[in-house]
Amino acid sequence: DSGVTQTPKHLITATGQRVTLRCSPRSGDLSVYWYQQSLDQGLQFLIQYYNGEERAKGNILERFSAQQFPDLHSELNLSSLELGDSALYFCASSSGGGKGKLFFGSGTQLSVL
Amino acid sequence: SQQGEEDPQALSIQEGENATMNCSYKTSINNLQWYRQNSGRGLVHLILIRSNEREKHSGRLRVTLDTSKKSSSLLITASRAADTASYFCAYDRDDKIIFGKGTRLHILP
Repeated sequence: DSGVTQTPKHLITATGQRVTLRCSPRSGDLSVYWYQQSLDQGLQFLIQYYNGEERAKGNILERFSAQQFPDLHSELNLSSLELGDSALYFCASSSGGGKGKLFFGSGTQLSVL
Repeated sequence: SQQGEEDPQALSIQEGENATMNCSYKTSINNLQWYRQNSGRGLVHLILIRSNEREKHSGRLRVTLDTSKKSSSLLITASRAADTASYFCAYDRDDKIIFGKGTRLHILP
């Protein structure tokens, strides 16, 4: 058990809809990272937050947004969903920002039908 | 692409043999990490090697780093069935941790 909790584990929705994925980092970790994993694209970095502030941004679509709350949990919002957004979304946490060992959650499997 | 590249994409070996995976990256780094992912599960950290280190060991794992060639290798010795998984390298760049596409390792009984 990594100590990182992601909910829900599975999500099935329709095109055009909006969903929210939630992540609770390991106790004491200030950084939260979001990744998207699809079969043909590997693990793509989306965004990183450190202690409530956006620290780094990767290939995150404008339809996607994220935030980290004062209690350090994070949410990834995906809107106007398309078939191609179907993927496994991972959250990871670390104690520092951008250089250390990551602890991954078990992921949210999103299926857009 | 911002991703690193692992080589080979897939590898099948007999149990007991050694497995070697390679990773190349494109920028200067502070450290490079290797992770393992069992099918559909979250990634698990295996080992971290800093840019000023050339080799590091952890149990049956041996990692090398050549910053002049921007490459790293992961050696798993005396492989076991439980080593069947995907292996990813990851490097830091501008507060991002970038992952390669991974090597799928299959250990044959």
